[in-house]
Order: sequence, then C-alpha cells, then structure tokens
Amino acid sequence: NAGVTQTPKFQVLKTGQSMTLQCAQDMNHNSMYWYRQDPGMGLRLIYYSASEGTTDKGEVPNGYNVSRLNKREFSLRLESAAPSQTSVYFCASSETGGSPLHFGNGTRLTVT
Amino acid sequence: GDSVTQMEGPVTLSEEAFLTINCTYTATGYPSLFWYVQYPGEGLQLLLKATKADDKGSNKGFEATYRKETTSFHLEKGSVQVSDSAVYFCALSNIRNSGNTPLVFGKGTRLSVIA
Repeated sequence: NAGVTQTPKFQVLKTGQSMTLQCAQDMNHNSMYWYRQDPGMGLRLIYYSASEGTTDKGEVPNGYNVSRLNKREFSLRLESAAPSQTSVYFCASSETGGSPLHFGNGTRLTVT
Repeated sequence: GDSVTQMEGPVTLSEEAFLTINCTYTATGYPSLFWYVQYPGEGLQLLLKATKADDKGSNKGFEATYRKETTSFHLEKGSVQVSDSAVYFCALSNIRNSGNTPLVFGKGTRLSVIA
C-alpha cells in the first residue's frame, strides 16, 4: 500500500529559484493538505483542498501556490524561493475534513 | 481561533517508567481530539483519537481521555519502551457550518526512552 507519496525527498534551491513539490494519494480521499514543519513550531498548515476542485489558504500561505490536479494529486509550488522557506514539507490526505490524516514521509527543502 | 498547547520537551524517561504528556486546547463547540506520533525520518501517524467528551482513545498501550471540563487530552502510558522514542503531537479538528476544519497541531513533545 503506497498511501501518500511525496517527491522529491530532498531538495536544495538557491534564493529566487522555483520548484514544485508533488503529492499523490491512492486511498480515494477527498481532502488533501500541505503542512510545513519547523523546529519548535510544530506543523503549520499552508494550503488545503477539502475536495477536488477547491483549495483554501491555511495559516501560512504567503509565498506558495497549490494545484489540486485531480482527486489523487495536490502539488505545492514555490515561485521564488526564500531562505525562510527552508523547512520539511508534509503532504497529507483524509477521507473527509476532520477524519484522521494520512501523511507522506516529507520533503526536506533547503533554500540558500 | 482554535489552538492546542502541549508540554514542552524533551522528555527523557527510563524504560518501564510512566509517561504523561499534557495537552490542553482552546476551541468553541465540540472538537475532535487526536494524538499523532512521528518516528525519526517519517511522517506523522495517528496514534489515537476521541470525538466527544469523556471518550477514551487507546492504542499500543497509550491512552488519552477527552476532558471537556478541563479542556484537556493528556497522553499516558503505564510502561514505556525504547521503541516509543518519538515526537508526539496533540491536535484538534473543529466543526463549522462549512464542515470540519483542518487539524490544528500542538508544537510536539520529543520523548526519549533509555534502556
């Protein structure tokens, strides 16, 4: 069972570069999420998609965009990376809002 | 807005010691409460949950009781093992007219268990 798959696992960017983090789930879940994890800050919600065709901002959306490509896939884009975006990014999915989340293994991003 | 506060770590215990990790929440209405665990290099996994007051969630020897009167959901285990070393997150999801809100997480508590 693949569950939630994130790519890449690691990435190093220079300030100003762009990249897209990919996420796919094979559990037929309706809702998908992007969180970032920073030391001492826990997990903070960047964007989420309650259902296919909808996206909403979370707690820390600035500097990011998302696309819910279809029910399986939810990508996160950094248009112009900044050192403050150095973090570990987690994608998650759930059957519906409020259902338990299933997490991917994360993408460790460093912006220099 | 909704928030979760959990005890700061790190917590270091000897094997077979009793574990308590405190978690309190601020939320209107009747949120659902969760504990997640993160092992090194991995994403978070659901450990247990409770959806209404006085419910007790349990899994793998861990327990937590939803106490509405004290707005708490403390995690306990009677005898910890080295394999329980991980980071533990308390979280809540609330209900709005538009549906359930995304989970709000506490900052996490790192537990280290030594043999």
